[in-house]
Amino acid sequence: RKEVEQDPGPFNVPEGATVAFNCTYSNSASQSFFWYRQDCRKEPKLLMSVYSSGNEDGRFTAQLNRASQYISLLIRDSKLSDSATYLCVVNTGTALIFGKGTTLSVSS
Amino acid sequence: GAVVSQHPSRVICKSGTSVKIECRSLDFQATTMFWYRQFPKKSLMLMATSNEGSKATYEQGVEKDKFLINHASLTLSTLTVTSAHPEDSSFYICSAREALSYEQYFGPGTRLTVT
Repeated sequence: RKEVEQDPGPFNVPEGATVAFNCTYSNSASQSFFWYRQDCRKEPKLLMSVYSSGNEDGRFTAQLNRASQYISLLIRDSKLSDSATYLCVVNTGTALIFGKGTTLSVSS
Repeated sequence: GAVVSQHPSRVICKSGTSVKIECRSLDFQATTMFWYRQFPKKSLMLMATSNEGSKATYEQGVEKDKFLINHASLTLSTLTVTSAHPEDSSFYICSAREALSYEQYFGPGTRLTVT
């Protein structure tokens, strides 16, 4: 089983849509969790941290379920500028483990 | 936020030559730096972790004699790809972390093409 698994997509949605990404991780001792955004041919940038209590930042909501080892990201009211690859990232304490990413394409 | 730079941003070299990539933390002291490689449509793969003043720790399957890492100061780490081959063509990204912090700050990446 891969350490961090994501549905690669692509997710093609119209502007204004709500879209949800899921991620599972295999290391139950993982300490912290993040969503990163990566634009084509660019470095990944931290989007938000993920907590069991949930984390909301504007149109973005992230959630962690430690029991299921499951992480989610919800994007509401999608914008064209949200088009990117979203990486689920798990911190094992010694390293960041990246998922392959989920590609989102928002169209007008 | 903290800034990490990489140089060069893009390099094309001939097979058999060596290429050095620099990673600098511009406004903080990076006690730990990480080197990643990303192939097209693939996730970032950690190559090695380096702590300032000590030898790098390489991930399984990464040849330490081929990918030489030096972290001689708290603001600079270098990755040298020795005797590069076309299969080494990839996007190389560094990240840096301050002491007692979990957050990593990524450099803009270096696109290496070996012909």
